[in-house]
Amino acid sequence: GAVVSQHPSRVICKSGTSVKIECRSLDFQATTMFWYRQFPKKSLMLMATSNEGSKATYEQGVEKDKFLINHASLTLSTLTVTSAHPEDSSFYICSAPSLDEQYFGPGTRLTVT
Amino acid sequence: QKEVEQDPGPLSVPEGAIVSLNCTYSNSAFQYFMWYRQYSRKGPELLMYTYSSGNKEDGRFTAQVDKSSKYISLFIRDSQPSDSATYLCAMKWVNTGFQKLVFGTGTRLLVSP
Repeated sequence: GAVVSQHPSRVICKSGTSVKIECRSLDFQATTMFWYRQFPKKSLMLMATSNEGSKATYEQGVEKDKFLINHASLTLSTLTVTSAHPEDSSFYICSAPSLDEQYFGPGTRLTVT
Repeated sequence: QKEVEQDPGPLSVPEGAIVSLNCTYSNSAFQYFMWYRQYSRKGPELLMYTYSSGNKEDGRFTAQVDKSSKYISLFIRDSQPSDSATYLCAMKWVNTGFQKLVFGTGTRLLVSP
C-alpha cells in the first residue's frame, strides 16, 4: 500500500517555542492531506485539511494562527505549532488519501515542557 | 450522543480466542465503514473497508455491517499476541472526501500467549 512518512517521530520543546512537523507521501501525490490530533485513549480528531496550492481548511475550534499549515508540494505538508504550550502536548498524525483509501503517517509525539 | 460509539476496553483474551469488536452509530447517512488497527505510538493502518450490509472476510478478519441496526463489527479468528493493538472503527458518508471520516474512540485489545 501507499506510504506516508512523518518527521520527527518525537519532539520535546520548551513552552513558547515553535515546532514544525513534516508529512510526506512517499510513492504517490496528494493534493490533500489531513492533520489529526490524538489524546491518550481518545479518538483521532481532525484538525485541518491541507490543500496543495491553497489555504488549509480548519475544523471548528482549531486556531489557524496557532497551527500553521503549508502544503508546499504534492508530496509534502507541514504543520507548525507556534508558541507551543504544555496543553499542545499530544500525538499528531497526518494522512493522505490515495484512490479510495486513506493512509496514515506514523505520528509525531509532541511534548511541551 | 456521539456519532460513533465504541467501547474503549481493554479487552483481554487468550491466544486462539475469537474476538468481537463493535461500534454503533447514530447517523444513517454513513455508508462507508472501515476498521483500522493502531499499534502503540504508531499511526492507524487500514484493515477492512466495507460499503454494503453483510459480511466481508479477509484472512482471519471478518467485517460485518448491519445498517438497519446501525451496528458494525470486526471479528478476529484465532487471535494472536501480535493482534494486540487498538482497533478503531471509522465511517463516512457517501460521495464525500475523507474530511468526513468519523472515528470511534478505539478498543484496546490484549491477546495473551
